[in-house]
Amino acid sequence: AQTVTQSQPEMSVQEAETVTLSCTYDTSESDYYLFWYKQPPSRQMILVIRQEAYKQQNATENRFSVNFQKAAKSFSLKISDSQLGDAAMYFCAYRRSYNTDKLIFGTGTRLQVFP
Amino acid sequence: DTGVSQNPRHKITKRGQNVTFRCDPISEHNRLYWYRQTLGQGPEFLTYFQNEAQLEKSRLLSDRFSAERPKGSFSTLEIQRTEQGDSAMYLCASSADRRSQYGYTFGSGTRLTVV
Repeated sequence: AQTVTQSQPEMSVQEAETVTLSCTYDTSESDYYLFWYKQPPSRQMILVIRQEAYKQQNATENRFSVNFQKAAKSFSLKISDSQLGDAAMYFCAYRRSYNTDKLIFGTGTRLQVFP
Repeated sequence: DTGVSQNPRHKITKRGQNVTFRCDPISEHNRLYWYRQTLGQGPEFLTYFQNEAQLEKSRLLSDRFSAERPKGSFSTLEIQRTEQGDSAMYLCASSADRRSQYGYTFGSGTRLTVV
């Protein structure tokens, strides 16, 4: 069975600084998708960034980028130039590429941003 | 497009009562998903639909839980004979058929408290 592990329950960063959130996963599949979702206090989950396992190039979305290490089964999220609005729960998620739409989530990392 | 709508936002019920939640997906999305999120945890998959067909169900979806999407538009999730362990946030999400690998759009959730 696939699992997703986020080992950092809480992280904090100062405004304008950079922070990296960790995620590891376990799967025997070779083709899959990985996601980072943000859940602000209002509770609506928002997709931050996604990565396709067959692509070696790390995904980037504005201030958000990932470090995807397929062999190590690691998928970390880097937030550059942190803003107060980045404060939220961040969830890493995995989805097999075929026969299912099911997302498997980690337990989340709470990010605090200090002025 | 008003996004994914869930009603009610909050529900408090006595143990043993039945509850029903409603989800209205984005109108052009034919895939609809239900997840459950307990405090301090990531969302856990319950079930998903493609149009009116229920394609996958989690073992978490015991015989007290039933989900329907009769006309392929809105969906309902019913919990019969509620237990305190059912207290959680119930999240609905939707996606378009060929874009589910790009992630979902989530609603704001229905928070259930069983007393």
